[in-house]
Amino acid sequence: DGGITQSPKYLFRKEGQNVTLSCEQNLNHDAMYWYRQDPGQGLRLIYYSQIVNDFQKGDIAEGYSVSREKKESFPLTVTSAQKNPTAFYLCASSGPGVQGGNIQYFGAGTRLSVL
Amino acid sequence: KNEVEQSPQNLTAQEGEFITINCSYSVGISALHWLQQHPGGGIVSLFMLSSGKKKHGRLIATINIQEKHSSLHITASHPRDSAVYICAVFSYNTDKLIFGTGTRLQVFP
Repeated sequence: DGGITQSPKYLFRKEGQNVTLSCEQNLNHDAMYWYRQDPGQGLRLIYYSQIVNDFQKGDIAEGYSVSREKKESFPLTVTSAQKNPTAFYLCASSGPGVQGGNIQYFGAGTRLSVL
Repeated sequence: KNEVEQSPQNLTAQEGEFITINCSYSVGISALHWLQQHPGGGIVSLFMLSSGKKKHGRLIATINIQEKHSSLHITASHPRDSAVYICAVFSYNTDKLIFGTGTRLQVFP
C-alpha cells in the first residue's frame, strides 16, 4: 500500500541531544513537508522540499535541520538549539488527488518529549 | 487574527445528530482541505475543495469562495466520528497550507 511512514512513534530527547525523525514515502511525490503541532495551535510548517536535494525553511525552522538526498526520504533533525522540542511532528507529501489538484498525505506522526 | 478560523472549537453531540463545523479564511486560496485527526495523531484528508460541494458517505463539504467560508457537515453522526476536524487552505500567494486550530468533536451513543 502506498503511504507515508514515520518513525519512531514516540521519541525521547535528553538535554543537549540531537534526535532525528524519519519520514519515508512510496507515493512517488516530489514535495514533502514537516509540521509541528502543539496543543491548541494549528499545524506549523518547519521545512519543506519541492524536489530532491532542495529544501526551504518554513515558518518555524530555527533549531531544526533536514536533508533530501532521496525522493522517498525527508528526515528531520531536532537539534539542541531547539529549546522547546516537545510536540507532535507530522510529515506530509503532496501529489495529485483523485479528482485533480494537489492533495497532502500525512504520516501517523512522531510524539517527541524531553527527558 | 488567524488567517484560518474554525468554529466551534469543541462540539459534543448525541449519536444520530446532524453536525456542522465552520471554517472562515482571510487569504486568497487555490483549494481548501478538510482533515480528520484521530486520537493518536494520524491525519486523514477528507476533502479537497476549490468550489461548490462534495459528498462522501455521510460527510458533505461546501465552500463559498466569495464569502471565504466552508462548512463540513456530518449526517447521522456516530461515535466513530469522534475526532479533531481541521480546515486548511492552500494559499496561492505563498504556495503553502495554512491550518486552522481544529474542532474537537465527541459523539456519544
